[in-house]
Amino acid sequence: GQNIDQPTEMTATEGAIVQINCTYQTSGFNGLFWYQQHAGEAPTFLSYNVLDGLEEKGRFSSFLSRSKGYSYLLLKELQMKDSASYLCAVREDTGFQKLVFGTGTRLLVSP
Amino acid sequence: DTGVSQDPRHKITKRGQNVTFRCDPISEHNRLYWYRQTLGQGPEFLTYFQNEAQLEKSRLLSDRFSAERPKGSFSTLEIQRTEQGDSAMYLCASSDQARNTIYFGEGSWLTVV
Repeated sequence: GQNIDQPTEMTATEGAIVQINCTYQTSGFNGLFWYQQHAGEAPTFLSYNVLDGLEEKGRFSSFLSRSKGYSYLLLKELQMKDSASYLCAVREDTGFQKLVFGTGTRLLVSP
Repeated sequence: DTGVSQDPRHKITKRGQNVTFRCDPISEHNRLYWYRQTLGQGPEFLTYFQNEAQLEKSRLLSDRFSAERPKGSFSTLEIQRTEQGDSAMYLCASSDQARNTIYFGEGSWLTVV
């Protein structure tokens, strides 16, 4: 079976740092993705990890531990516009490369 | 790169009617995906095309749903005899084999009344 867990909601203050965790149990693994989704809009690609370690991209970083089935998305210097849902998705180790999504973490950034 | 485009963006239909959504992927992308998303949930996989071949279909895709990609470019998703439970955002995404990024369109919102 497939199971991807993320916290439902998080709150943080403008300028702070927040870490959104994701744990997964899937039948196969060929990469983990993070997407940002503002209300009523489509998901926007943020990051991709396939090897263990940290990938940094500006204010956003993503970490992966395949042995632990664990990833996190780190957002630094939070801005009000970062208020959105953050979706963790695992790409299955099949030829079809489909993504399996978690339910998403709704982040609210307050002044 | 014009992005993935979907049409219509919003559709309100009466229960029992048929609806069709169109997706134009990024031009060089040979892989195309349809997902469905309801409020408070992550996107759920519906079906996948590689070029014109439909290679995988989710159990969520009942026999009222059909998807095509006749020439390996644009795709259509048709829902027949719509039900209120079909109300959702239908997302199309595309990718190519060389890159590790799947790009989503803006989505097509369906409301069945």
